[in-house]
Amino acid sequence: NAGVMQNPRHLVRRRGQEARLRCSPMKGHSHVYWYRQLPEEGLKFMVYLQKENIIDESGMPKERFSAEFPKEGPSILRIQQVVRGDSAAYFCASSPSPTNQPQHFGDGTRLSIL
Amino acid sequence: GEDVEQSLFLSVREGDSSVINCTYTDSSSTYLYWYKQEPGAGLQLLTYIFSNMDMKQDQRLTVLLNKKDKHLSLRIADTQTGDSAIYFCAEMPGQGAQKLVFGQGTRLTINP
Repeated sequence: NAGVMQNPRHLVRRRGQEARLRCSPMKGHSHVYWYRQLPEEGLKFMVYLQKENIIDESGMPKERFSAEFPKEGPSILRIQQVVRGDSAAYFCASSPSPTNQPQHFGDGTRLSIL
Repeated sequence: GEDVEQSLFLSVREGDSSVINCTYTDSSSTYLYWYKQEPGAGLQLLTYIFSNMDMKQDQRLTVLLNKKDKHLSLRIADTQTGDSAIYFCAEMPGQGAQKLVFGQGTRLTINP
């Protein structure tokens, strides 16, 4: 069974474009988490979702960023009107339940803004 | 508040033990984790410890938790070149929060 799958692995966008990052959780996992890693830094929590619900978006910037986890299909992290400061690695993690279970991470999407 | 601190660099000789240290601030943290990140890759879960435990051993890895001092360490016995990576300490804060709070990561370098 594959682990957490993220695509694309690398994404290049010009300033002002939109970026869409996809994450398919591990089989049997219904809880998805998005984190952002700036160069030479640790990961910072962005948002926690269950199917069709945003549970905690306390780490999401208020503007331009949105996330969803529809009933069917992968979770999507969407960044509108990207700016240079959005360049980072975006990691998705999943767990089977929110409590007492470790989060397993995908290989990330490295977003570069020209 | 929530804050996790790690030293940024550690260099050891091949075959020696590596000890990576971490301090955290949230006394209500339920679980503490160690993740490994190799260049260009995602985070690999190495081990984790529940906050009511003092120690956990898993093959070459030993985790020690001093809850009074809010100090966590990861010991890697017989360090090999394949252990070169960045190691992240993370806490799961209490009060129902499901987000992981990460340290800055410790870059482990192995010298031949």
